[in-house]
Amino acid sequence: QSVLTQPPSVSGAPGQRVTISCAGITSNIGAGHDVHWYQQLPGTAPKLLIYTNTNRPSGVPDRFSGSKSGTSASLAITGLQAEDEADYYCQSYDNSLNSWVFGGGTKLTVL
Amino acid sequence: QLQLQESGPGLVKPSETLSLSCPVSGGSISSTSYFWGWIRQPPGKGLEWIGSIYYSGRTYYSPSLKSRITISVDTSKNQFSLQLRSVTAADTAVYYCAQATAGSAGWFDPWGQGTLVTVSS
Repeated sequence: QSVLTQPPSVSGAPGQRVTISCAGITSNIGAGHDVHWYQQLPGTAPKLLIYTNTNRPSGVPDRFSGSKSGTSASLAITGLQAEDEADYYCQSYDNSLNSWVFGGGTKLTVL
Repeated sequence: QLQLQESGPGLVKPSETLSLSCPVSGGSISSTSYFWGWIRQPPGKGLEWIGSIYYSGRTYYSPSLKSRITISVDTSKNQFSLQLRSVTAADTAVYYCAQATAGSAGWFDPWGQGTLVTVSS
């Protein structure tokens, strides 16, 4: 059971918008710790997608955006494309565990 | 461009020690701006942070693995290493090494390609 809670799966048709939630508690996201997001394409290593809640590394399309509020964060993907089909993970830090923590991951299916 | 590449045995027997190293190229492991981390992913499951180390040798370990792990750094070889003792089948996973921005707010980037370690007799 992961410290950060994500939906196991989401889906959307090409061109649509989907959001992936990442729920935390007062010892991690709620304590003000930043949230980062990773995309893991099948058979590959995770790749940084969003850092410090809202920032995109160079090369990440602006179709991907992140937000954070209270004890949760969200990743939004607009203009869905077939190549976006992947697993997505959120990550933060937890004061109680003194650990960097990941969400359980969300599998995005492009219909 | 910074690159990391995990190396080590792909098969380890139960109760033995898993040992992996992560040479870093394209940058210095002695940078004061970064930690160096290990993350694993059991087959078909999610990511689990194992531990991180600063170039000075200061370590940060997952509470669930702390009793069995040692992470070390060798600045002369520009690499860091992981040892996981008394392994069981539950330790079978793809093990990744990654650079981490220093501090609790840090993120992991870039990652190595990962190496599958199977625990089996």
